[in-house]
Amino acid sequence: EPEVTQTPSHQVTQMGQEVILRCVPISNHLYFYWYRQILGQKVEFLVSFYNNEISEKSEIFDDQFSVERPDGSNFTLKIRSTKLEDSAMYFCASSGSKGFGNTIYFGEGSWLTVV
Amino acid sequence: EDQVTQSPEALRLQEGESSSLNCSYTVSGLRGLFWYRQDPGKGPEFLFTLYSAGEEKEKERLKATLTKKESFLHITAPKPEDSATYLCAVQGDYNQGGKLIFGQGTELSVKP
Repeated sequence: EPEVTQTPSHQVTQMGQEVILRCVPISNHLYFYWYRQILGQKVEFLVSFYNNEISEKSEIFDDQFSVERPDGSNFTLKIRSTKLEDSAMYFCASSGSKGFGNTIYFGEGSWLTVV
Repeated sequence: EDQVTQSPEALRLQEGESSSLNCSYTVSGLRGLFWYRQDPGKGPEFLFTLYSAGEEKEKERLKATLTKKESFLHITAPKPEDSATYLCAVQGDYNQGGKLIFGQGTELSVKP
């Protein structure tokens, strides 16, 4: 069964450092997302990406965050200068061509710890 | 403001003891209501999408139903392997990006 893959599974970084989280969405999917989940809290939407541009972003997704699809298979989330409060599980997700109401599949997550 | 509220926050069942999880929602034009299962330290695993009131879907011991204001996830004769957090999420029709808004989840524990 096709799946969304994420790397790394766990990263520890110093406050102020740049972090790049990588994702390989399901092939032939067109909509890509990043979500995050702080320990013990809800899964929160960060950003959606379609046709090589951001479709929507949340208030969390400020200038410290950026996304990129550098080639035909990878989708990345960059945090420029990490803060302690960025510590969370980050999930990449993708969905197929129908967009709305279509199933959104999640990866296993990248656990980011900022110290 | 779109909102999803799940109850109870935690549910402990004996193996074979059927029960239901509730998801109440408010959204501007529902495009889809999603149920996911999440194991500790893992990503949400897709279970069901419901699109309109009256719709029902089943998978093994799970059955999801939808009304205009809430959804129920019925668990029939649960087994210990059904223990997980069950997440409900909605997608509204004005969201150009198709984002999901999640509830806080119901943590289900099934004891043998």
